[in-house]
Amino acid sequence: GIQVEQSPPDLILQEGANSTLRCNFSDSVNNLQWFHQNPWGQLINLFYIPSGTKQNGRLSATTVATERYSLLYISSSQTTDSGVYFCAVRGKLIFGQGTELSVKP
Amino acid sequence: DAGVIQSPRHEVTEMGQEVTLRCKPISGHNSLFWYRQTMMRGLELLIYFNNNVPIDDSGMPEDRFSAKMPNASFSTLKIQPSEPRDSAVYFCASSLVGIEQYFGPGTRLTVT
Repeated sequence: GIQVEQSPPDLILQEGANSTLRCNFSDSVNNLQWFHQNPWGQLINLFYIPSGTKQNGRLSATTVATERYSLLYISSSQTTDSGVYFCAVRGKLIFGQGTELSVKP
Repeated sequence: DAGVIQSPRHEVTEMGQEVTLRCKPISGHNSLFWYRQTMMRGLELLIYFNNNVPIDDSGMPEDRFSAKMPNASFSTLKIQPSEPRDSAVYFCASSLVGIEQYFGPGTRLTVT
């Protein structure tokens, strides 16, 4: 089956720093989502982005489907950005293992 | 507008007992998904329904697990009998077919 790999597995940032999270997938996809799982366990939708680029405030995402990767950019990070970021692909979502982000004040 | 609703939010039960988790999808959505999250295996799909019909249950771990969707606004996931290794967070999600999925808050199940 399709493999979804996220990097880095862990990331520690100082508040105000920028970061890029990567998601690689081993086969073609027609559906890709980014989620933020907050410290309370909620899965929050960030982007539905099977291809192209989208922006929402300090966050943006780009998916290059032909090269089988997606990137999530976080600019001017805040402590509330802490948590685990997941990408997931395909209609019945197959999740990566996540990137655990910790933003320090 | 209400999101996906799950109940209970927390469940603690003893090994061997029956457990029923409940989900109400977003109104108008026609696909419903059950996922399980554990430290060892991460987030994995258990089963999904389109238009109330089970489409793929290959992720259901064994016969102790069953899921139903009697109508467009309600689904259950049942574990009978429960075992300690079933302890996990169970998420329900809904979507329009093939489009963005939205997740409920999850049910944290502990089997002692």
